[in-house]
Amino acid sequence: DSGVTQTPKHLITATGQRVTLRCSPRSGDLSVYWYQQSLDQGLQFLIQYYNGEERAKGNILERFSAQQFPDLHSELNLSSLELGDSALYFCASSVGDSVHEQYFGPGTRLTVT
Amino acid sequence: QKEVEQDPGPLSVPEGAIVSLNCTYSNSAFQYFMWYRQYSRKGPELLMYTYSSGNKEDGRFTAQVDKSSKYISLFIRDSQPSDSATYLCAMSGYSGAGSYQLTFGKGTKLSVIP
Repeated sequence: DSGVTQTPKHLITATGQRVTLRCSPRSGDLSVYWYQQSLDQGLQFLIQYYNGEERAKGNILERFSAQQFPDLHSELNLSSLELGDSALYFCASSVGDSVHEQYFGPGTRLTVT
Repeated sequence: QKEVEQDPGPLSVPEGAIVSLNCTYSNSAFQYFMWYRQYSRKGPELLMYTYSSGNKEDGRFTAQVDKSSKYISLFIRDSQPSDSATYLCAMSGYSGAGSYQLTFGKGTKLSVIP
């Protein structure tokens, strides 16, 4: 158990809908990272927040957004969902800006029908 | 050319064998090199990381980085059935404005047969 929690574990929704994924980092970690994992693309970095501020942006679609709250938990919002958004979404956290020492949560499996 | 290339396998070995997993990369600016293990339906688990070139050992696991060849390896000695998982290499690179991000290989699926 990494200490990173994610909810929900599974999510099934229809095209065009909007969902919110939630992540709580390990105690004391200030950075939260979001990743998408699909069979064809592998694990892709989406976005990083550090102590409430956006720190780095990867291959995140404009339909996706995230935020980190004062208690350091983070939410990833996915809107206007398409079939191709079906994937595993992982959250990771690290102490400070240590991108090389990230600890991953169990993931949320999103299925868009 | 992808930034990080990793043979997807699958790789099947008998229990007790030495396993060699490899990644090549194209970005010479990568500084940290990581190996993650991912069991089916679980999140990736950090095994070890190495800064720049050299070797690092942790129990049965040894990581090697050769920056001149842009090649990294993970060796598993005395492999066990519990080592059966997908192994992901990852590298950290500068992404601008003082921040860094990880780029992952697609992973190699390993099966250790009792």
